[in-house]
Amino acid sequence: EVQLVESGGGLVQPGGSLRLSCTASGFTFRSYGMSWVRQAPGKGLEFVSAISGGAASTDYADSVKGRFTISRDNSRNTVFLDMISVRAEDTAVYYCAKAQLERRGGLDNWGQGTLVAVS
Amino acid sequence: DIQMTQSPSTLSASVGDRVTITCRASQSISTWLAWYQQKPGKAPKLLIYKASYLEGGVPSRFSGSGSGTEFTLTISSLQPDDFATYYCQQYNSYSPWTFGQGTKVEIK
Repeated sequence: EVQLVESGGGLVQPGGSLRLSCTASGFTFRSYGMSWVRQAPGKGLEFVSAISGGAASTDYADSVKGRFTISRDNSRNTVFLDMISVRAEDTAVYYCAKAQLERRGGLDNWGQGTLVAVS
Repeated sequence: DIQMTQSPSTLSASVGDRVTITCRASQSISTWLAWYQQKPGKAPKLLIYKASYLEGGVPSRFSGSGSGTEFTLTISSLQPDDFATYYCQQYNSYSPWTFGQGTKVEIK
């Protein structure tokens, strides 16, 4: 069974930094792309970032480009999101999700989410 | 970036109704489109990928169609468990992925 467990969320001051982690199990981690998607309170889903299975390719939403960095450690089955210079508008539940393919695909498994509050 | 526009934003329907949600891309994305269902307080669930392929375990009353810039999600006979919010998402390789703004399906 695929499991994705996020951690690292919490309360952070504007301008501060935070590292989110997502530990995966139940599949061959290095073979699949991973993504972070966020949802602000009462709002819709927003793509944040994605990384290919081998980490050769990354994508970012314009709203976080230059402030957030996605990375992965395939030896530890973990994907990270490093967040710097956070803003109030970064407040959201952050979901980790697995892509169907190495580079892209529908997001077929999701974590439970971790809340980041910037205040 | 590619913009995704869903319509309607809210839809009121009854059990047994046929429901159609539309998603329009600002430029062609071939069939690189997925549909998700989300219930309050829960993570989204993948329903359809590559515009028309049903994810395993998803009831066959859900179907997707379209290519290029126009896509639809159809629920052939709405069930009580289907009242939720639905999102489309494009995952074209050469652009950051983007979601539609969502369509909330409510009980009429």
